[in-house]
Amino acid sequence: DGGITQSPKYLFRKEGQNVTLSCEQNLNHDAMYWYRQDPGQGLRLIYYSQIVNDFQKGDIAEGYSVSREKKESFPLTVTSAQKNPTAFYLCASSIGWSEQFFGPGTRLTVL
Amino acid sequence: AQTVTQSQPEMSVQEAETVTLSCTYDTSESDYYLFWYKQPPSRQMILVIRQEAYKQQNATENRFSVNFQKAAKSFSLKISDSQLGDAAMYFCAYRSAYLYGGSQGNLIFGKGTKLSVKP
Repeated sequence: DGGITQSPKYLFRKEGQNVTLSCEQNLNHDAMYWYRQDPGQGLRLIYYSQIVNDFQKGDIAEGYSVSREKKESFPLTVTSAQKNPTAFYLCASSIGWSEQFFGPGTRLTVL
Repeated sequence: AQTVTQSQPEMSVQEAETVTLSCTYDTSESDYYLFWYKQPPSRQMILVIRQEAYKQQNATENRFSVNFQKAAKSFSLKISDSQLGDAAMYFCAYRSAYLYGGSQGNLIFGKGTKLSVKP
């Protein structure tokens, strides 16, 4: 089955740690995105990538980093510089001008 | 910059009845796409319906339809014959059809409307 997978489903981070969230898609989509969702808020764009080896900052990129070494994969690293990382993180992908398809999300909690 | 506003934080509907969720947006562009996404308690984002701005005909997907008023910049979602499974957060989203610095027009979301369905 084609789709987008995110792992882990739940992630706990200690203060000062970097953690990496995985996002994989087998839809052969060129573009991939990372969003953050906080309670009572819509989704906010962190980073996006239109092609392999290229990515752009979104609206709230500070404290985050990404890589796009393969078309299928777009991991997100939450660094210690992110002051309030507790949130729900959603990965999405799209092809051309079409709608975005979303993964099931990762819930990150800072202990 | 484009913005999307959903003025109803919460809505409630009786099972089998019809409900309309509101969405307005602000843009100076003439070509764009509008979407409604559903987020049930599982938190999986699911595309409900999509509308191209250049199409005057309102999009319809089974029990879901939109009222797209381009001049008024309004994009409401009507759910007919509401079912218990329709209970979810609903997000309206805007996407530009233009390229800016390599972007293909990322989604801009409203803050969502929480829909409850009463049996």
